[in-house]
Amino acid sequence: RKEVEQDPGPFNVPEGATVAFNCTYSNSASQSFFWYRQDCRKEPKLLMSVYSSGNEDGRFTAQLNRASQYISLLIRDSKLSDSATYLCVVNRDDKIIFGKGTRLHILP
Amino acid sequence: DTGVSQDPRHKITKRGQNVTFRCDPISEHNRLYWYRQTLGQGPEFLTYFQNEAQLEKSRLLSDRFSAERPKGSFSTLEIQRTEQGDSAMYLCASSLAMSGPSLNEQFFGPGTRLTVL
Repeated sequence: RKEVEQDPGPFNVPEGATVAFNCTYSNSASQSFFWYRQDCRKEPKLLMSVYSSGNEDGRFTAQLNRASQYISLLIRDSKLSDSATYLCVVNRDDKIIFGKGTRLHILP
Repeated sequence: DTGVSQDPRHKITKRGQNVTFRCDPISEHNRLYWYRQTLGQGPEFLTYFQNEAQLEKSRLLSDRFSAERPKGSFSTLEIQRTEQGDSAMYLCASSLAMSGPSLNEQFFGPGTRLTVL
């Protein structure tokens, strides 16, 4: 079993819809969590850190459930420019582990 | 531009040749990471440095791979006797690690795309 698992998608979602991704991690010692966004043939860019209390940044909301060992990302009012691959990232003892990513296509 | 830079952006080489990539991190960042990414996969950790010390190496990093960060600033990743399976995007990232709990947010460079013929 991979240490960080994500549904690879693709998720094909109409513009304006709400979409949610989950990511599960297997090591309960994991300490910090992030969502990165990666556009085709570009480097990953930090979208948001995920805090235990949950956090929101504009249309994006991230949640952490330590008991069930999953992280979620919710995108509201999706835009065409949200089309990308979303990478779940877990930090354990300064070892950074990426999921394979979830591909999102926003349809006009 | 004060972001992470990598050089070259693209490298095409023949199997068996040696290649070297360079990464310049964000200047105040003390940690530097190397990753490899292939199509459809997330970045896979290779190694990381805190200042000039190489603190961890993945088992993915065979004897043909070596990384250095001699002065705690830029880093080089060398691949000797390249193989076709080495073809990938090599990404560098840097972060500022502080004492105590750290979120360790990483900032990535644009990557070096290696093609081994």
